Amino acid sequence: DAKTTQPPSMDCAEGRAANLPCNHSTISGNEYVYWYRQIHSQGPQYIIHGLKNNETNEMASLIITEDRKSSTLILPHATLRDTAVYYCIVKLQGAQKLVFGQGTRLTINP
Amino acid sequence: DADVTQTPRNRITKTGKRIMLECSQTKGHDRMYWYRQDPGLGLRLIYYSFDVKDINKGEISDGYSVSRQAQAKFSLSLESAIPNQTALYFCATSDLQFGGLETQYFGPGTRLLVL
Repeated sequence: DAKTTQPPSMDCAEGRAANLPCNHSTISGNEYVYWYRQIHSQGPQYIIHGLKNNETNEMASLIITEDRKSSTLILPHATLRDTAVYYCIVKLQGAQKLVFGQGTRLTINP
Repeated sequence: DADVTQTPRNRITKTGKRIMLECSQTKGHDRMYWYRQDPGLGLRLIYYSFDVKDINKGEISDGYSVSRQAQAKFSLSLESAIPNQTALYFCATSDLQFGGLETQYFGPGTRLLVL
């Protein structure tokens, strides 16, 4: 699996957009980018995934650069309940497991 | 995700005891996984199963065994629990889709303490 690099922590004000970056410079053409989050000791929660195009769902938006070497997860209007550790994962087709790195600890401040 | 349930949610046991953690899913997925999480170490894969007749070891299977009783059920057993198996255990399910997309959905976790 391609290695990902994320900042260890970020802060964001409630109601503002939270932009979480991820570098995956060794990504290959058939690897998806997945984002999960884990709210304190709960099970990791799937947020969104992408391959080449930008994606949006009810939870977030995912912006992938044209060279696919980095991506940004956007929470458009962050709430206190969005405080969690966010994981960016690149998984090769056929790989058995998701490799969760250290992620980014996002704190939403009132 | 409510579609993946784990029992028990919390368990305290003593060294040497055999215990079983259970996972059930209503998502209709073929693939199921068991992970453990330790502080600062992320999630590590213990066992995975791609269908009822397919069981595979993950990166840290020693001291654990599994049983895939049905498509919807995947149990993890600690044959003789030891203190360093104290951890948070997660079950996950997934289905392989066209193009290689595979999204895993996790249960709420089981917190295990081995004394």
